[in-house]
Amino acid sequence: DTEVTQTPKHLVMGMTNKKSLKCEQHMGHRAMYWYKQKAKKPPELMFVYSYEKLSINESVPSRFSPECPNSSLLNLHLHALQPEDSALYLCASSQGVEGNYGYTFGSGTRLTVV
Amino acid sequence: GQNIDQPTEMTATEGAIVQINCTYQTSGFNGLFWYQQHAGEAPTFLSYNVLDGLEEKGRFSSFLSRSKGYSYLLLKELQMKDSASYLCAVPHGGATNKLIFGTGTLLAVQP
Repeated sequence: DTEVTQTPKHLVMGMTNKKSLKCEQHMGHRAMYWYKQKAKKPPELMFVYSYEKLSINESVPSRFSPECPNSSLLNLHLHALQPEDSALYLCASSQGVEGNYGYTFGSGTRLTVV
Repeated sequence: GQNIDQPTEMTATEGAIVQINCTYQTSGFNGLFWYQQHAGEAPTFLSYNVLDGLEEKGRFSSFLSRSKGYSYLLLKELQMKDSASYLCAVPHGGATNKLIFGTGTLLAVQP
């Protein structure tokens, strides 16, 4: 299995809703990432998990809450989002964080906040 | 800090060759990646350069000059399916694998 799987592919949520994005990989990768991508912009790093521990939080608002239940799963819990949070949310994984490993990206979750 | 620059858009003709440039400034260099991203899809890995020179992989080649802070992606025998954004990315370095992306170049291949 050489894929990163993200669910759901599309999500529409209200500003008072609570929802979660899920990401799964079975490549034995020990680093996992959340990126946010607005239209016609490059991906922007949000969080990095290394060996199931949060190692980087790029000053992301607390309405985004990441969770890594085990080495294969990464969640992003969403609460009280704003319309400007509408974007493509990409999960990625790599073999590790020491050195420079290429990333494998999931196909993303297209999030719309109404 | 890091700064990565790419042209915003390019247009080329099917069957032709196109070169997409990337210039970067980084406090510590640990290689450079190129990714392809079709609209609404995930970025997919194209190449990784850590040493100077040209790396060829089928119709795609990538070049790096560390002294000039410069890389390019060369696409030969262009096909319509090559219409996509091409992202240059540089690892932040240190103990973390923090990939920083350039602004991306949107390539339109015309018949």
